[in-house]
Amino acid sequence: ILNVEQSPQSLHVQEGDSTNFTCSFPSSNFYALHWYRWETAKSPEALFVMTLNGDEKKKGRISATLNTKEGYSYLYIKGSQPEDSATYLCAFITPTLGSGGYQKVTFGTGTKLQVIP
Amino acid sequence: DTEVTQTPKHLVMGMTNKKSLKCEQHMGHRAMYWYKQKAKKPPELMFVYSYEKLSINESVPSRFSPECPNSSLLNLHLHALQPEDSALYLCASSLLSGLTPTGQYFGPGTRLTVT
Repeated sequence: ILNVEQSPQSLHVQEGDSTNFTCSFPSSNFYALHWYRWETAKSPEALFVMTLNGDEKKKGRISATLNTKEGYSYLYIKGSQPEDSATYLCAFITPTLGSGGYQKVTFGTGTKLQVIP
Repeated sequence: DTEVTQTPKHLVMGMTNKKSLKCEQHMGHRAMYWYKQKAKKPPELMFVYSYEKLSINESVPSRFSPECPNSSLLNLHLHALQPEDSALYLCASSLLSGLTPTGQYFGPGTRLTVT
């Protein structure tokens, strides 16, 4: 059973503050890590696909870094806005190359972010 | 069209009922997934279909029966469920990517309550 942990479990920040949270995963046999944002009553939305050690990806005010050797990824939100309120999930991907490349996904425990106006 | 749709949005069923959940995508994705999500827990993988063939069954009880009639549709047939099966059921799809990892596209889920 893969252990994919996220911290903190929940977070309250003031509008305009910057914040970050962590996803830790097994450092051996790394293939890929996904970050998702999941707003209440909506579908989880893919933010980033991280594959290489040292990867840094950015989408607007949100960015993510990856350290595969030590088994962690950080998600940063700069200048948080109320619309950033959501649960942020990381997902550790195990490939199944023998059957065409579908992905076996193990989700982290999630970080619930609440941005207070 | 980058949408995965799921019907119904909500379903209440008794333990003796038979019902089905439906998922549809028109992105040409050949991998489709069913997840179960209980409150305050991450989604857990149930089934994976690859090229319309069942590739993973994560030891799911037989009262859940998946079906992939074509490359755009994924069904989950439910029969003789237990109250502890009440959860959000999420469908997702992705490209079959070989060595290149891709993200998954999720539907909004079906909220199932078993009475």
